[in-house]
Amino acid sequence: EAGVTQFPSHSVIEKGQTVTLRCDPISGHDNLYWYRRVMGKEIKFLLHFVKESKQDESGMPNNRFLAERTGGTYSTLKVQPAELEDSGVYFCASSQDQTTVATNEKLFFGSGTQLSVL
Amino acid sequence: AQSVTQPDIHITVSEGASLELRCNYSYGATPYLFWYVQSPGQGLQLLLKYFSGDTLVQGIKGFEAEFKRSQSSFNLRKPSVHWSDAAEYFCAVGAWGGGNKLTFGTGTQLKVEL
Repeated sequence: EAGVTQFPSHSVIEKGQTVTLRCDPISGHDNLYWYRRVMGKEIKFLLHFVKESKQDESGMPNNRFLAERTGGTYSTLKVQPAELEDSGVYFCASSQDQTTVATNEKLFFGSGTQLSVL
Repeated sequence: AQSVTQPDIHITVSEGASLELRCNYSYGATPYLFWYVQSPGQGLQLLLKYFSGDTLVQGIKGFEAEFKRSQSSFNLRKPSVHWSDAAEYFCAVGAWGGGNKLTFGTGTQLKVEL
């Protein structure tokens, strides 16, 4: 079974440019999450999709970030325009059920996209 | 709001030595606690979790963790470290009804000396 796939694995862009990150969840997983880790800091929740709907986007830092999940399959996270503080590792995770945290064992993470904004 | 503190940024141990990674949490109710590991080039992998019941939980790869409510701690342990355990370890807390919205610590980078 394929896991959660993210690409690119690395992206280096200049301040002011646009970058789009992609996440392919495990097939059949309705729930998709984006997390971000800024260097040296904790991994922070960004948002949660259930199918194509945004269930919780309370962690999105500002309106330069736009997440989509058209058709309820893969998701994209666009940063436009990118700023220096957006550098970090962006993780995607997926799960099959609308779970409570008690079934967190069914949460699968991708290996992340390392974003560097120069 | 919940929070997690991992006071050790880097830890180095010799192969075969015992390991303890510290984690302290802040949460107003009964927490749901997790340890994840990230090896180079890999995604986050769940090592173990605590929801209720026995405060000593066993996980994969020979890891265990003990929940101590009085100390607000959930330290990760392994009696004998293997070189392949070198990775970054994250403690996380979740809230009842919060789905998979987790609050993570800053991580502890483990180096294993041969």
